[in-house]
Amino acid sequence: GQQLNQSPQSMFIQEGEDVSMNCTSSSIFNTWLWYKQDPGEGPVLLIALYKAGELTSNGRLTAQFGITRKDSFLNISASIPSDVGIYFCAAYAGGTSYGKLTFGQGTILTVHP
Amino acid sequence: SQTIHQWPATLVQPVGSPLSLECTVEGTSNPNLYWYRQAAGRGLQLLFYSVGIGQISSEVPQNLSASRPQDRQFILSSKKLLLSDSGFYLCAWNAGTGGYGYTFGSGTRLTVV
Repeated sequence: GQQLNQSPQSMFIQEGEDVSMNCTSSSIFNTWLWYKQDPGEGPVLLIALYKAGELTSNGRLTAQFGITRKDSFLNISASIPSDVGIYFCAAYAGGTSYGKLTFGQGTILTVHP
Repeated sequence: SQTIHQWPATLVQPVGSPLSLECTVEGTSNPNLYWYRQAAGRGLQLLFYSVGIGQISSEVPQNLSASRPQDRQFILSSKKLLLSDSGFYLCAWNAGTGGYGYTFGSGTRLTVV
């Protein structure tokens, strides 16, 4: 089946550093999304990308939909302690998938003050 | 605006006891509904999804079942809990195309003892 390979699995960084994570797949997707999950909460949508090559920003976050439609990356600039959490990539193939998303395994981000 | 409610927030149940987790969505009609389980703060495993009242699709064989008795109500159940059923259970909805991603509930932390 479809799988998303998300890396890195975890990151330990100092406050103020930039962060980069990515997701790749052997399958083509129509939509890529990035979620953040705070401890003990449900994931919250950060950025949605709908077009190959699209680059979208949301504050300190920037994400891109890969030109091949098989990958996406998320960058966080000037990290702060509240960036701590698990970041998930997700992708939607369309067609008869009943709206189901495919998720990556997550990147656990730890930010040291 | 649309909201999703999930309860209870935490639950400790003995092995062999029944389970009922409830999820309701407000402010929309005919949503796609999903139940996910998350173990050890990592990946999201899709358990069940529903595209309409009474329609349930199971993604993985397990000790759990789901029902959708009303358009905006999704219930996760078990007749006899196992230790391996412990985890963080998340309900989610979307409008059907998947292109706009899911909105997740706040989750239920289930511990089977």
